Amino acid sequence: GAVVSQHPSWVICKSGTSVKIECRSLDFQATTMFWYRQFPKQSLMLMATSNEGSKATYEQGVEKDKFLINHASLTLSTLTVTSAHPEDSSFYICSARDHSGTPELFFGEGSRLTVL
Amino acid sequence: AQSVTQLGSHVSVSEGALVLLRCNYSSSVPPYLFWYVQYPNQGLQLLLKYTSAATLVKGINDFEAEFKKSETSFHLTKPSAHMSDAAEYFCAVSDQAGTALIFGKGTTLSVSS
Repeated sequence: GAVVSQHPSWVICKSGTSVKIECRSLDFQATTMFWYRQFPKQSLMLMATSNEGSKATYEQGVEKDKFLINHASLTLSTLTVTSAHPEDSSFYICSARDHSGTPELFFGEGSRLTVL
Repeated sequence: AQSVTQLGSHVSVSEGALVLLRCNYSSSVPPYLFWYVQYPNQGLQLLLKYTSAATLVKGINDFEAEFKKSETSFHLTKPSAHMSDAAEYFCAVSDQAGTALIFGKGTTLSVSS
């Protein structure tokens, strides 16, 4: 149980285009999802907290107009990187918490974005 | 605010040797603590968690960790390393069930034969 699926795993796009990454909780309902960004050989940096049916809460320094987060249902959150630039290239990982309230997060497989 | 410090960015052990990965936390309230493992280009897998029950926590693959409040530590151990344990390990903390996890910088574990 507690499986989080992230798609796509790898994406390459041209500078200036937008890319959408999906995060789904497959066997549980996730009222809260979290998006992290990970640079090579570094830790996970929290980008935003996404609550179903409401606007995401972004961490300081994260551009909300560049990283659009939507959490339209209890099993799906999306991250759209708008007008992507090479510096947006990174590994993006979503995570979800079961609505039953257990404290651990379950992570997706991650999405590696390369912007040319 | 909570924070996590992982001492040692890289730990090398021989196969069969004891694994010890260190984690110290800072939290103004009783914390929830976690250890996750990450293999290259993959997400994170939960090894174990501390949620104010038993201070010695057992996880998957023979890993365990002990919560020591007096030392603000939550070190991860495994009695005998396997080659398959080579990966990146992250310690994380949260202050209540609804908040995001704050991660340490990670420790790369290498296992040699």
